[in-house]
Amino acid sequence: GESVGLHLPTLSVQEGDNSIINCAYSNSASDYFIWYKQESGKGPQFIIDIRSNMDKRQGQRVTVLLNKTVKHLSLQIAATQPGDSAVYFCAENQGNTGKLIFGQGTTLQVKP
Amino acid sequence: DSGVTQTPKHLITATGQRVTLRCSPRSGDLSVYWYQQSLDQGLQFLIQYYNGEERAKGNILERFSAQQFPDLHSELNLSSLELGDSALYFCASSVGSSGGAWETQYFGPGTRLLVL
Repeated sequence: GESVGLHLPTLSVQEGDNSIINCAYSNSASDYFIWYKQESGKGPQFIIDIRSNMDKRQGQRVTVLLNKTVKHLSLQIAATQPGDSAVYFCAENQGNTGKLIFGQGTTLQVKP
Repeated sequence: DSGVTQTPKHLITATGQRVTLRCSPRSGDLSVYWYQQSLDQGLQFLIQYYNGEERAKGNILERFSAQQFPDLHSELNLSSLELGDSALYFCASSVGSSGGAWETQYFGPGTRLLVL
């Protein structure tokens, strides 16, 4: 039968601009959050993580913000480059195992 | 390159058949995870092994099974395959010292399974 694909939200930005990708997570008990980048034909690649005892964490050109009150996570990418074009997933982890629950993903398109 | 290897890269088979997917974790990692990525379900956790023992289970079908061997590599067995099993199957690994919680998982390149 015909399969229906997920319709991923798309964010289109100009090269050099800052990008903000948002994610709503599902479980208020989740205490560890990760952002992954997935390029076409490849596996998810770790970008940055944050524990629930923090509300902000910075990496190289990336910042993750966590708002536990509204169960919201965001990924900010500074000076977006064409190589940043990919699908971005947030994932949450809760409890004493490594089970990750992934969001649906956001496609980032960078226009030169 | 994450250091996680998966074989084969591609697999084409028929309904009703059985296949085995193989994963080698990063050197030193004790935990191995399997995920399924399909067009309509996104990335779904299947199962986690830690040092040879099953640690956590997701919505893994009874037709699917996995194991982790003493050398820490893992295999995912899919049997009585159906058209809907066509998907990308990813393996990930982590250090495992905390049972997987709060640990960065590094993903392999995946196995693309097509069931005809």
